[in-house]
Amino acid sequence: NAGVTQTPKFRVLKTGQSMTLLCAQDMNHEYMYWYRQDPGMGLRLIHYSVGEGTTAKGEVPDGYNVSRLKKQNFLLGLESAAPSQTSVYFCASSGTKGVSPLHFGNGTRLTVT
Amino acid sequence: GNSVTQMEGPVTLSEEAFLTINCTYTATGYPSLFWYVQYPGEGLQLLLKATKADDKGSNKGFEATYRKETTSFHLEKGSVQVSDSAVYFCALESGGNTPLVFGKGTRLSVIA
Repeated sequence: NAGVTQTPKFRVLKTGQSMTLLCAQDMNHEYMYWYRQDPGMGLRLIHYSVGEGTTAKGEVPDGYNVSRLKKQNFLLGLESAAPSQTSVYFCASSGTKGVSPLHFGNGTRLTVT
Repeated sequence: GNSVTQMEGPVTLSEEAFLTINCTYTATGYPSLFWYVQYPGEGLQLLLKATKADDKGSNKGFEATYRKETTSFHLEKGSVQVSDSAVYFCALESGGNTPLVFGKGTRLSVIA
């Protein structure tokens, strides 16, 4: 039972480069989320989706885009990476019956130099 | 808006000590409350939850009681182990499609 799978696990980018983080869940969940985790800041919601084909902005959406073309996948894109986007990114999914409980992936550690 | 405030860490305890991590919340209506735990190198996982006032959530020796009168959901464990070393997050769900609101997390280190 894979749960929530994030790829890649680690990535180093140069300023201005682009990349896409992939999140896949095999639990038929409606809701999917992207968070970033920074020291002293806790978890901050970037974007989320309440179903296939929908997306919504979270607390810190600037510099990121997302797509939910298939129910099981939620992609997070960085069009022009900045050092301020160095962080650990977590994907989560939930809900056949609402927004909780959340099931998290193991994270992607991104460094932008 | 809705918010969650946790005690700042890090918290360092000796094995078998008593643990309390404070959590208070601000919310309209009647939220559900959660504690999530993050072990090193992993994502968060649900530890326990309570969905209405006076409910007690419990799991793995941890407990938390939903106190509406004090808007609190403090996490407790009677005797911590080294394996409990992790970051603990308090969270609130207010209903509908609104995403969970998380506290900033409290790092616990338990030393033998």
